[in-house]
Amino acid sequence: AQTVTQSQPEMSVQEAETVTLSCTYDTSESDYYLFWYKQPPSRQMILVIRQEAYKQQNATENRFSVNFQKAAKSFSLKISDSQLGDAAMYFCAYRKSNTGNQFYFGTGTSLTVIP
Amino acid sequence: GAVVSQHPSWVICKSGTSVKIECRSLDFQATTMFWYRQFPKQSLMLMATSNEGSKATYEQGVEKDKFLINHASLTLSTLTVTSAHPEDSSFYICSARDPSGRRTGELFFGEGSRLTVL
Repeated sequence: AQTVTQSQPEMSVQEAETVTLSCTYDTSESDYYLFWYKQPPSRQMILVIRQEAYKQQNATENRFSVNFQKAAKSFSLKISDSQLGDAAMYFCAYRKSNTGNQFYFGTGTSLTVIP
Repeated sequence: GAVVSQHPSWVICKSGTSVKIECRSLDFQATTMFWYRQFPKQSLMLMATSNEGSKATYEQGVEKDKFLINHASLTLSTLTVTSAHPEDSSFYICSARDPSGRRTGELFFGEGSRLTVL
């Protein structure tokens, strides 16, 4: 079965600094998607960044980037120039691409941004 | 803008009553929607997969008679918590994936519904 592990329940970062959130996953599939979702205090989950497993290049979205290590089954999120609005719960998620529907979520990392 | 909308955001009900939560996909047709439950500071727990025009698929341990799911149209799924009890108090979140391929792989979430059973 697929599992997603986030080993950091809580993290904090100084405003304008960089922070990295860790995620590892377990799968026997070769083709899949990985995601980072953000859940701010308003509670609606929003997509931060997505990575297709077949792509070797790490995904980047403005201040957000990932370090995707397929062999190690690692998918960390780097937030650069942290802003107060980045404070939220961050969930790493996995989806097998072909059958496609079920998402597996990690337990989340609560990020605090210190002014 | 939001592509999945959930209503109501907050609901308080008395023990023994039933509560219906609606989930709508706004700009795509969702043949499949997902219902999650989230406890404070915890991850999302998949309760069931809602399939348009057919029965929902429930995860192990989820009582299908308590959590009734109806997916009567391609844009609407409902979750009814029947005979609610205080232990059903939780945050319920629906989600859907755009099957058209325009936004490959992404799961869109509703705003969530906070249920409090007195």
